[in-house]
Amino acid sequence: GDSVTQMEGPVTLSEEAFLTINCTYTATGYPSLFWYVQYPGEGLQLLLKATKADDKGSNKGFEATYRKETTSFHLEKGSVQVSDSAVYFCALSPGSSNTGKLIFGQGTTLQVKP
Amino acid sequence: GAVVSQHPSWVICKSGTSVKIECRSLDFQATTMFWYRQFPKQSLMLMATSNEGSKATYEQGVEKDKFLINHASLTLSTLTVTSAHPEDSSFYICSATTSGVVDEQFFGPGTRLTVL
Repeated sequence: GDSVTQMEGPVTLSEEAFLTINCTYTATGYPSLFWYVQYPGEGLQLLLKATKADDKGSNKGFEATYRKETTSFHLEKGSVQVSDSAVYFCALSPGSSNTGKLIFGQGTTLQVKP
Repeated sequence: GAVVSQHPSWVICKSGTSVKIECRSLDFQATTMFWYRQFPKQSLMLMATSNEGSKATYEQGVEKDKFLINHASLTLSTLTVTSAHPEDSSFYICSATTSGVVDEQFFGPGTRLTVL
């Protein structure tokens, strides 16, 4: 079945460092891909999305490119801030589904130190 | 932005008792709500999809008689864990959407259930 695999955390970086969180997926058809962020004590929020191959999603300095050839959707940010400390979830919506179902990776905790 | 709340945020109960978790959309009407379960350091797993006024659709492997879902209004869905056991201890998260479009899901902060 469809699945999402993320790099294990926690990831600890210094402020202004470059961030990469790896995400790969297995899916039939043409899924849509998402990154969600969960700040402490809050619900998951959509960070960015891409709906087809080679699309780049971006928001708040974060970027991810839908790579069909490598089945990947890695999250990147050029210069992280302390306020980016959170848990990041990669997710997919199966291409055959129009029900709103999401399949999540296990989440990666990012801690940014001043 | 759209806000979804969950109550309680955490609950501890004895084995064999039932626990009800509420999910509310505070500033929009939710035609569809989703219930997820998350184990430590693991993915969110979709348990069921709940549409207002109709029976919930459960994912394969989820016991519908154990996890009772009611979506009686456009702003409230409830998940009742019946005859809870320690293996039901988990983090339960709901999300809500108005349109069924997946990237318009709004998530609650989750409820931590511990069964003794």
